[in-house]
Amino acid sequence: AQTVTQSQPEMSVQEAETVTLSCTYDTSENNYYLFWYKQPPSRQMILVIRQEAYKQQNATENRFSVNFQKAAKSFSLKISDSQLGDTAMYFCAFMNRPGRGNEKLTFGTGTRLTIIP
Amino acid sequence: GAGVSQSPRYKVTKRGQDVALRCDPISGHVSLYWYRQALGQGPEFLTYFNYEAQQDKSGLPNDRFSAERPEGSISTLTIQRTEQRDSAMYRCASSLMTGDNSPLHFGNGTRLTVT
Repeated sequence: AQTVTQSQPEMSVQEAETVTLSCTYDTSENNYYLFWYKQPPSRQMILVIRQEAYKQQNATENRFSVNFQKAAKSFSLKISDSQLGDTAMYFCAFMNRPGRGNEKLTFGTGTRLTIIP
Repeated sequence: GAGVSQSPRYKVTKRGQDVALRCDPISGHVSLYWYRQALGQGPEFLTYFNYEAQQDKSGLPNDRFSAERPEGSISTLTIQRTEQRDSAMYRCASSLMTGDNSPLHFGNGTRLTVT
């Protein structure tokens, strides 16, 4: 079974600084998808960024980027120029590619990020 | 609709009662997922459907939990004989198709409290 580990329960950073959230996962598959979801105090679940394992290029979405290290099974999220609205729980998630069964998102336990004004 | 809709938003029930939680996915979305999220934890997979077919129910904790999606659109998660440990946020999500890299769109959840 796939597992996703987020080793940082809580982090805080000053506004406008850069912060990196770590995530590691365990799988025997070679192709899969990785995601970061944001859960603000409203408790919505918002997709931040996604990465396909067969793509070597790291995904980027505006101030959000990932450092995908496939051999190390690491998928960290970097938030640049952090803003107060980035305060939220961040969940890393894994999904098998279609046809391999187990096609569901497996989530980590989350990192609570606080942006300090 | 514009997003995944879940109802009710909040549900308080007494131990031993049955509850039914409803999910209305985004129109045209084939795949529908149910997750449960305890406070301070990540979402935990319960079950998912492609169209009306339940593809995986391995996450349902016991036989008091069941789900259906009879017409391939709206889904209902039913918990029979509720227990206090069932208290959690229950989230529904939908996507265009399982695993095609189309992202899951989550509803705002139903917060269930069993007293």
